[in-house]
Amino acid sequence: EDQVTQSPEALRLQEGESSSLNCSYTVSGLRGLFWYRQDPGKGPEFLFTLYSAGEEKEKERLKATLTKKESFLHITAPKPEDSATYLCAVQAGTSYDKVIFGPGTSLSVIP
Amino acid sequence: DAGVTQSPTHLIKTRGQQVTLRCSPKSGHDTVSWYQQALGQGPQFIFQYYEEEERQRGNFPDRFSGHQFPNYSSELNVNALLLGDSALYLCASSSILNADRGNQPQHFGDGTRLSIL
Repeated sequence: EDQVTQSPEALRLQEGESSSLNCSYTVSGLRGLFWYRQDPGKGPEFLFTLYSAGEEKEKERLKATLTKKESFLHITAPKPEDSATYLCAVQAGTSYDKVIFGPGTSLSVIP
Repeated sequence: DAGVTQSPTHLIKTRGQQVTLRCSPKSGHDTVSWYQQALGQGPQFIFQYYEEEERQRGNFPDRFSGHQFPNYSSELNVNALLLGDSALYLCASSSILNADRGNQPQHFGDGTRLSIL
């Protein structure tokens, strides 16, 4: 069964303290892995798509990487405005349209 | 360029009632997916519509049904509401014609918060 897990469940960082969020997946034929950011009371906001192992994408203080079993979202020198829930999702080859989300990591960046 | 819009933003219903939620996709998008997000959880896929037909369905009972209109907008209907149906209902849109390698990011609306009393 296709499955996505994320760790840690919650993370508190001091402003400027870099860290990484993990997304582990078990799918039959990965077609794409997505990272989203979700603020309270809002819908998920798209950040990155990764297609194959070894691929990396960057946007401001965020960098996403992908291996055959997991993806990491690296946050460099975070700021309070980076506080949000970060969601990982996968699209599998066995299910063209269905996107499976993980439970998310709640990030709090303290000034 | 308007993004995905959903209405209403909040809704309160009682058990056994029926509800209809509405979604207008992002301009240029022709595919709409619906998700249920319980508090503290990731979104769970309900179903997807393209060309006015349901293409894929997640593990949700038949009480959950949908419709897509010729202008690509969509409705989610839930019958015989249960307390457990309380959640944020998200609509996401994408474009089949602009698909890259068969997969592309979906763009989400801000959802409808449904509370069942």
